[in-house]
Amino acid sequence: GAGVSQSPRYKVAKRGQDVALRCDPISGHVSLFWYQQALGQGPEFLTYFQNEAQLDKSGLPSDRFFAERPEGSVSTLKIQRTQQEDSAVYLCASSPFISRQKPRGPGEKLFFGSGTQLSVL
Amino acid sequence: DAKTTQPTSMDCAEGRAANLPCNHSTISGNEYVYWYRQIHSQGPQYIIHGLKNNETNEMASLIITEDRKSSTLILPHATLRDTAVYYCIVRREYGNKLVFGAGTILRVKS
Repeated sequence: GAGVSQSPRYKVAKRGQDVALRCDPISGHVSLFWYQQALGQGPEFLTYFQNEAQLDKSGLPSDRFFAERPEGSVSTLKIQRTQQEDSAVYLCASSPFISRQKPRGPGEKLFFGSGTQLSVL
Repeated sequence: DAKTTQPTSMDCAEGRAANLPCNHSTISGNEYVYWYRQIHSQGPQYIIHGLKNNETNEMASLIITEDRKSSTLILPHATLRDTAVYYCIVRREYGNKLVFGAGTILRVKS
């Protein structure tokens, strides 16, 4: 079956430009995550959705970053007025909801896409 | 979630076992040890996870010490395609986000 799909694969933006990055999770996966990965570092958490609800956005670095998942499937990460320090790979991950226990979480496995490499010039 | 400590890099000969250590001395009773790896230009890939018993699947084995303060990921017969960054992560079962560190760069050499 299809995995997590992200588009575009590469994006070059001029400083100050707005960008939108798309994530198509695995069909039926309830949980969706966005991560930012700078060169040579591990991924850093940005935000988490369960269905259409954004339950955690503590990792978003500024109010220029905005994420949405209006119908509980496809998600878009938008960055306004891009700056050079926004250059990174943006990773999306999804996970099936399998827990009937509380606290309800995304399950053991996260399935990652290959990411969008954003370069801000 | 507890923090982990891993060596920066390791080398392994092709066909030999690769043993990747991880320290997690502040792990608490309800926290699991997860391993993911990231091959160049790809997203991280789940490998295995465990609580206190040793675990094995088609990819690897996970050995957790009795006091749970450290663990070892074992790739029994490393191939060139196993060259990747390996991340050891401690997380509550069904917890929220995964918190990645810098990981261990494993280079498998022929």
